[in-house]
Amino acid sequence: NAGVMQNPRHLVRRRGQEARLRCSPMKGHSHVYWYRQLPEEGLKFMVYLQKENIIDESGMPKERFSAEFPKEGPSILRIQQVVRGDSAAYFCASSPGDEQYFGPGTRLTVT
Amino acid sequence: KQEVTQIPAALSVPEGENLVLNCSFTDSAIYNLQWFRQDPGKGLTSLLLIQSSQREQTSGRLNASLDKSSGRSTLYIAASQPGDSATYLCAASNSNSGYALNFGKGTSLLVTP
Repeated sequence: NAGVMQNPRHLVRRRGQEARLRCSPMKGHSHVYWYRQLPEEGLKFMVYLQKENIIDESGMPKERFSAEFPKEGPSILRIQQVVRGDSAAYFCASSPGDEQYFGPGTRLTVT
Repeated sequence: KQEVTQIPAALSVPEGENLVLNCSFTDSAIYNLQWFRQDPGKGLTSLLLIQSSQREQTSGRLNASLDKSSGRSTLYIAASQPGDSATYLCAASNSNSGYALNFGKGTSLLVTP
């Protein structure tokens, strides 16, 4: 059983561009979580999704950020009009309902 | 809102020593508590998961305890090795917040040969 997969591993965007981060959960896992780790800060929860549903998006900025977990395909975290403050490591975790398993992360750099 | 604190922020020990990492949380109504390891520039590796009904979990040289009444968890590492050098993260989830994990800032551990 492959682990949680995230791509790309590194992403460079210029200010104002869009960033799309993908997460493929472990087989059989229907829960997906996104977290952000800013430089020198701890991991912060952003959003919790199940297939085709956003369960909790209380940690996600209200503007420019969106997430989805379609019936088919990976979960997508989308950041529109990126700014330098969006530079961070974005981690996805999947769960069968209990323990969370993390992917390797996507490191976003905004220039 | 669940707040998680880890002490110390950094720790350096000689190889072979036993050590304890501390984690405290503010809301005792946790669903579970997980300990992770993070190597520089890498993702998180789950070490131990303690359910709210459990008091401790063990895996190899690692033992994690949970005391909900005092809002504390400890991670005990026996016979430390240089390969144990990493940042150790504690995270607590609550059933009333969708089971999202609330992380501490971690303890950076260095085990010297």
